Amino acid sequence: DAGITQSPRYKITETGRQVTLMCHQTWSHSYMFWYRQDLGHGLRLIYYSAAADITDKGEVPDGYVVSRSKTENFPLTLESATRSQTSVYFCASRHGFSGTDNTGELFFGEGSRLTVL
Amino acid sequence: KQEVTQIPAALSVPEGENLVLNCSFTDSAIYNLQWFRQDPGKGLTSLLLIQSSQREQTSGRLNASLDKSSGRSTLYIAASQPGDSATYLCAVKDSSASKIIFGSGTRLSIRP
Repeated sequence: DAGITQSPRYKITETGRQVTLMCHQTWSHSYMFWYRQDLGHGLRLIYYSAAADITDKGEVPDGYVVSRSKTENFPLTLESATRSQTSVYFCASRHGFSGTDNTGELFFGEGSRLTVL
Repeated sequence: KQEVTQIPAALSVPEGENLVLNCSFTDSAIYNLQWFRQDPGKGLTSLLLIQSSQREQTSGRLNASLDKSSGRSTLYIAASQPGDSATYLCAVKDSSASKIIFGSGTRLSIRP
């Protein structure tokens, strides 16, 4: 089915371990985003990508690494997980602002709930 | 720096009432404004998207309006139902930036 999918949906890990959250979209959207959602902080942007091989920091990038070798995939890696990275992570995507679909409508995945013990 | 505010943080109304959710933003130079719904434990579902050149958008019982000059958007829900209970978030895309700024949301509860 077309859409944006995240995996895993739930993950428990330990402090210091590396974790990778996957995001895959089938719309060929040029822009992809990673957000984390925490009580009291709302949605905060971690990293975003405007196209394959182009990434940029958001509001809270420390402790995270991203890559985008293919348009459809945007993995988020926690190189050494910390308890403060316990959160729900959302991937989102949208078209750019040129071409026939320039509305900029943003679409979200179902989220990945990460617990770091 | 763009800031997006949603007041109140929570709202409880009886079923059948018409209601309005508010979203305010500090910089009127926006590209678009989008309203989302989020159910507990779920992702965000897009409800309505208003471009900066538009004044309102409608989908079923939902109507979203935009007043850039006053930095405000409202989401009107007609004839509310218990199934409308969720958190509603607005998000603003600035004209000059790639980032999208979210409000903290209004948690809506519709009492049967």
